Amino acid sequence: NAGVTQTPKFQVLKTGQSMTLQCAQDMNHNSMYWYRQDPGMGLRLIYYSASEGTTDKGEVPNGYNVSRLNKREFSLRLESAAPSQTSVYFCASSPSRAKQFFGPGTRLTVL
Amino acid sequence: EDKVVQSPLSLVVHEGDTVTLNCSYEVTNFRSLLWYKQEKKAPTFLFMLTSSGIEKKSGRLSSILDKKELFSILNITATQTGDSAVYLCAVEKTGNQFYFGTGTSLTVIP
Repeated sequence: NAGVTQTPKFQVLKTGQSMTLQCAQDMNHNSMYWYRQDPGMGLRLIYYSASEGTTDKGEVPNGYNVSRLNKREFSLRLESAAPSQTSVYFCASSPSRAKQFFGPGTRLTVL
Repeated sequence: EDKVVQSPLSLVVHEGDTVTLNCSYEVTNFRSLLWYKQEKKAPTFLFMLTSSGIEKKSGRLSSILDKKELFSILNITATQTGDSAVYLCAVEKTGNQFYFGTGTSLTVIP
């Protein structure tokens, strides 16, 4: 039982490049979330998916897209990376609401 | 605008001390308030509070919510070096939206 896994752990991109962050959970949870964490800003919700087949915008969705591929997987895509997207990205899942289980994070640097 | 404010931003105490961490919020359509502990990596869940005045306890940690005054406190008694971490407060709104505070960094000195 791995919980919530994220790949990659680290990534360096150049401005304008695209990439997809992968997240998977093996706890059969309905809800999944993507957050970014910046110094002095706390965790901010980018997108979430309340169930397979649905996605909704969070607090800071601009510049990102998501796909809820199936119940296990929720990916986050940066189509054209910008330096302002340098951050640590966390994926989380929860069985219904509130109590979330977080993945180990992806540290992304955009040059 | 929805917001969650934690205080203090950081705290340094000696082992055995008792600490109180504060979280105030202004959020429409409140559903619950959560506390997480974040060490080097991912946040881990501590408490979820939905009702005023009911204390949640887990060992040396306890938390309580005041929905009238819109705040919560997290108490840690007899602190240990393993309590050193960032403590995050989050508020859940209806519609699966979550707002996190910036956290309180706690350092416990032996």
